[in-house]
Amino acid sequence: EVQLLESGGGLVQPGGSLRLSCAASGFTFSSYAMSWVRQAPGKGLEWVSAISGSGGSTYYADSVKGRFTISRDNSKNTLYLQMNSLRAEDTAVYYCATPYYYDSSGYPKGGWGQGTLVTVSS
Amino acid sequence: NFMLTQPHSVSESPGKTVTISCTRSSGSIASNYVQWYQQRPGSAPTTVIYEDNQRPSGVPDRFSGSIDSSSNSASLTISGLKTEDEADYYCQSYDSSNGVFGGGTKLTVL
Repeated sequence: EVQLLESGGGLVQPGGSLRLSCAASGFTFSSYAMSWVRQAPGKGLEWVSAISGSGGSTYYADSVKGRFTISRDNSKNTLYLQMNSLRAEDTAVYYCATPYYYDSSGYPKGGWGQGTLVTVSS
Repeated sequence: NFMLTQPHSVSESPGKTVTISCTRSSGSIASNYVQWYQQRPGSAPTTVIYEDNQRPSGVPDRFSGSIDSSSNSASLTISGLKTEDEADYYCQSYDSSNGVFGGGTKLTVL
């Protein structure tokens, strides 16, 4: 069974930094582009960043460009999001996700983690 | 850049069929695949449709997706509505390689 387990969230002061991790299992991690998506309290989903399967290409929403860095370690099946210069408006649940993947039996499955809460407040 | 516009809310009775639209503001809806995600209250999103009309394994065939170039929109249709379908639904596509989400539609099954 596929698992995407995020960690690293917590309370941080404005201007501070956090590093989120997403440990993947149950599928060939390196074959899939991965994304970070966030959801502020009571709001809709917002795409934050994405990275190609190889890690060679990265993409960012304008709202986080220059402050957040996405990366992956395919040897560890782990996705990361380094968040610097955090602002109150970055407060949200952060999900790692891929729209779909093929499991070991060749069936397409959707891939979302359970999320990790980041709170930016003094 | 483009936006994806969804109705804020829809409601329908159990057993009926509902369609949720997702209209692309500029550029062709067919230019990039559309995904649909379901989010039940207090839970993480799940994928119900990917690549316009494909269902992940385990998603009932009551869920279907389509695109319509004439209206430049994508649609999620849920037939045989069940109370468990009550959730927020989000469409998502790509602008070049950046993701774009619709604002979400709250489906009430009453």
